[in-house]
Amino acid sequence: EADIYQTPRYLVIGTGKKITLECSQTMGHDKMYWYQQDPGMELHLIHYSYGVNSTEKGDLSSESTVSRIRTEHFPLTLESARPSHTSQYLCASSGSAGGELFFGEGSRLTVL
Amino acid sequence: KNQVEQSPQSLIILEGKNCTLQCNYTVSPFSNLRWYKQDTGRGPVSLTIMTFSENTKSNGRYTATLDADTKQSSLHITASQLSDSASYICVVSDRGSTLGRLYFGRGTQLTVWP
Repeated sequence: EADIYQTPRYLVIGTGKKITLECSQTMGHDKMYWYQQDPGMELHLIHYSYGVNSTEKGDLSSESTVSRIRTEHFPLTLESARPSHTSQYLCASSGSAGGELFFGEGSRLTVL
Repeated sequence: KNQVEQSPQSLIILEGKNCTLQCNYTVSPFSNLRWYKQDTGRGPVSLTIMTFSENTKSNGRYTATLDADTKQSSLHITASQLSDSASYICVVSDRGSTLGRLYFGRGTQLTVWP
């Protein structure tokens, strides 16, 4: 069973609010990822990190930002949420590039 | 263009029946292919991962096959159960970079009826 946790699981907020989605893993993985998933659509990579103080943008342009101050923690922040940010956000980690990916349960964000 | 296409988009079967889901890909160079199960509102969970040299791999009632020549994979579910109702996602990894980039299919939504 994967030891990767996301909070909150569900979040409903108003436009313009700042939000942070938390992601933590206890597997000691260097590689962590954030994906965005809309209903019936494929997962899109929005951010990834290969270690502490290393973050990169993914394939899908996103107004969110991430940080990696500790190996186990990879939070995602939206400074000013908009309805277009409504989506499911999935955090994942891997022990190696291209290796098995372990996902968290996801954070369902709704922006009104 | 590297792509992963899954079929059917959705499938309804009766409990106890078998079914097969398809995945075609154009990803090159190929590294590995994974099948994930994603319950509604949850994160994907890995079922199988196969490299170029593997043409079949089982995980309980799930059996995945891979034909690297035709770039096709299938996931066969035997004696389906209600808990098999989920989206099944095919993911292909390339070996063209150190990123080990992943290409996701849109998934097949399986519904098992009692």
